[in-house]
Amino acid sequence: AQSVTQLGSHVSVSEGALVLLRCNYSSSVPPYLFWYVQYPNQGLQLLLKYTTGATLVKGINGFEAEFKKSETSFHLTKPSAHMSDAAEYFCAVTSGTYKYIFGTGTRLKVLA
Amino acid sequence: DAGITQSPRHKVTETGTPVTLRCHQTENHRYMYWYRQDPGHGLRLIHYSYGVKDTDKGEVSDGYSVSRSKTEDFLLTLESATSSQTSVYFCAIYGTGGVYEQYFGPGTRLTVT
Repeated sequence: AQSVTQLGSHVSVSEGALVLLRCNYSSSVPPYLFWYVQYPNQGLQLLLKYTTGATLVKGINGFEAEFKKSETSFHLTKPSAHMSDAAEYFCAVTSGTYKYIFGTGTRLKVLA
Repeated sequence: DAGITQSPRHKVTETGTPVTLRCHQTENHRYMYWYRQDPGHGLRLIHYSYGVKDTDKGEVSDGYSVSRSKTEDFLLTLESATSSQTSVYFCAIYGTGGVYEQYFGPGTRLTVT
C-alpha cells in the first residue's frame, strides 16, 4: 500500500525567505510523485512531478523538488518566497496506475 | 485548461434530500474521479470511472453513488444527504498533458443543513 505524509499542516515564511514543504512517502513499488497547489476557491494545479530520470525536478513558479529514495522523501522548495505563493500545497503518490494517494496538505502563509 | 467543468459550483441542501453533482470533460479521457476535500484530510477518493458504465469505489464511498453513461459526463449522487457530506467535491481526469497527471475541476461546495 502507498501513503503520503506531509509534515506541518501550516508553514509561515517571510517574503524572500526559503520555502521548504516536506513530503515523505511509503511505497512498495517505484513511486511517481507529484506536488499540487491550490489557491483559495480553486481546484488543484500541478506544480511538478517525478516519474523517472533526474531526481531534481523543476516546476512552475520557481518551485523544485528532489526525489530521495533513501529518505523516501520528495520535499518541495523555493529559494525566495513571494506573497503570491500563499496557498495550500498537496503531495501525492501513485505507482503508475490510475489511483493516487494525497497528503493532508500544507497551508503556506507568506509574511510581508 | 484541462476542459473540466463542474455543476453546480455551490449548493445548499437539506438533510435527507437527494443531490446530484455533475462533472463534464471535453478531453475524451477514459478515467474520471470524484474526490472530497475536508480540512485535515486532504483529498479522499469517493468513486472513479475507467470507462462508460465502468465504475468502482474509492476509500469513502458510503452514501454516494456514481454513473457514467457518456465518456464526457460523470455524475455523483448523494442518495440522502447528511451533514457529514458537507464538503468541497472535486472531479478529476487522468492523463491530460503528460504522463500520469491528474487534472482537476474547479470544485463544488456542498452544504447540507
